Amino acid sequence: QQPVQSPQAVILREGEDAVINCSSSKALYSVHWYRQKHGEAPVFLMILLKGGEQKGHEKISASFNEKKQQSSLYLTASQLSYSGTYFCGTEGENQGGSEKLVFGKGTKLTVNP
Amino acid sequence: EAGVAQSPRYKIIEKRQSVAFWCNPISGHATLYWYQQILGQGPKLLIQFQNNGVVDDSQLPKDRFSAERLKGVDSTLKIQPAKLEDSAVYLCASSPWMNTEAFFGQGTRLTVV
Repeated sequence: QQPVQSPQAVILREGEDAVINCSSSKALYSVHWYRQKHGEAPVFLMILLKGGEQKGHEKISASFNEKKQQSSLYLTASQLSYSGTYFCGTEGENQGGSEKLVFGKGTKLTVNP
Repeated sequence: EAGVAQSPRYKIIEKRQSVAFWCNPISGHATLYWYQQILGQGPKLLIQFQNNGVVDDSQLPKDRFSAERLKGVDSTLKIQPAKLEDSAVYLCASSPWMNTEAFFGQGTRLTVV
């Protein structure tokens, strides 16, 4: 099942913070985050694994709430370069092996000067 | 390190014609993915290879789409015959192992008229 991302779009001024959410109706093993700029290929940001620690670096980080099957991506003090569409991809739990990654519809982030 | 190479970048064909896309993954990457991305949507997995074996092709329209990965390296995706709804960007990606950090190629933008 496709994860649900919210909001669908967000507009920020440079330096503001944003949170992008990703929810699934099924138990998850991992959540993957990618950013895609217009006309370009998606670029990997991070993977969060069940039972793992919150990932990220100073200004882009993410959390994974296993009980709620949710992940949130935090963008702090946004920069113009953060503009793009953010996709979460979820991998369901499957004791037999890895399941395929299913991407959400994306959240379009626009950072203005 | 060379990235994922795809060709062609753009293709325009008439409906009912056939088309083929080529992908050369990053050297040493065991997993290769073909995604279909329709404008405004997230990437949708068509087929996933682990070395030269198929891991998942549950969303591949097998009556018209086919894919192979020769000797566990290069891959081709073919559509025959094409339909109008096949218009999309076809992305190839590779990763060291299943569902780890994926590196995407620039994609092939297919327009079916």
